[in-house]
Amino acid sequence: NAGVTQTPKFRILKIGQSMTLQCTQDMNHNYMYWYRQDPGMGLKLIYYSVGAGITDKGEVPNGYNVSRSTTEDFPLRLELAAPSQTSVYFCASGKGTPQHFGDGTRLSIL
Amino acid sequence: QQQVKQSPQSLIVQKGGISIINCAYENTAFDYFPWYQQFPGKGPALLIAIRPDVSEKKEGRFTISFNKSAKQFSLHIMDSQPGDSATYFCAAKTSYDKVIFGPGTSLSVIP
Repeated sequence: NAGVTQTPKFRILKIGQSMTLQCTQDMNHNYMYWYRQDPGMGLKLIYYSVGAGITDKGEVPNGYNVSRSTTEDFPLRLELAAPSQTSVYFCASGKGTPQHFGDGTRLSIL
Repeated sequence: QQQVKQSPQSLIVQKGGISIINCAYENTAFDYFPWYQQFPGKGPALLIAIRPDVSEKKEGRFTISFNKSAKQFSLHIMDSQPGDSATYFCAAKTSYDKVIFGPGTSLSVIP
């Protein structure tokens, strides 16, 4: 009963590097979301998907890309990492609203 | 305006007291209002949710009150316990399925 699994849990990147944050869910949810949470702040929606092959921008999509080729997976791609992307990233899934969140990926850009 | 306002930023309540967190919105296209609880080092967890055609919803010690005309909603935690100490987020879902979070309230319940 894994729920939402995010990998890696921690990562340090250098400015300009790229990486993919992985997110997998095993609950057959159509809806999946990526949020970022900065210290002491709420969650900001980066991208979301309402089903395989369908993605849409959230509040803060610049600098990120997503894809949704399967129901289970919703990877988040960072191109040309910048210090402003230092944050905790949460993936979530649900049946129309975020119901289950992963434990997050803590990303530092130095 | 796709924004959800939340107050207070932090709240200290004595054990057994009532914790009240308030949220407000402007976009009348929001059609679903969930609340989340987050413990340090963990992702948020869905706590309770309400639709705008309902004025109140209760689940155990947690109650949402919804005032559609004022575009405000609130979370009441009755008989607050130290284990309720966490950060609470209100959120709102648009008709396009975006779910926007408020900035959060850090609740501390002291014995």
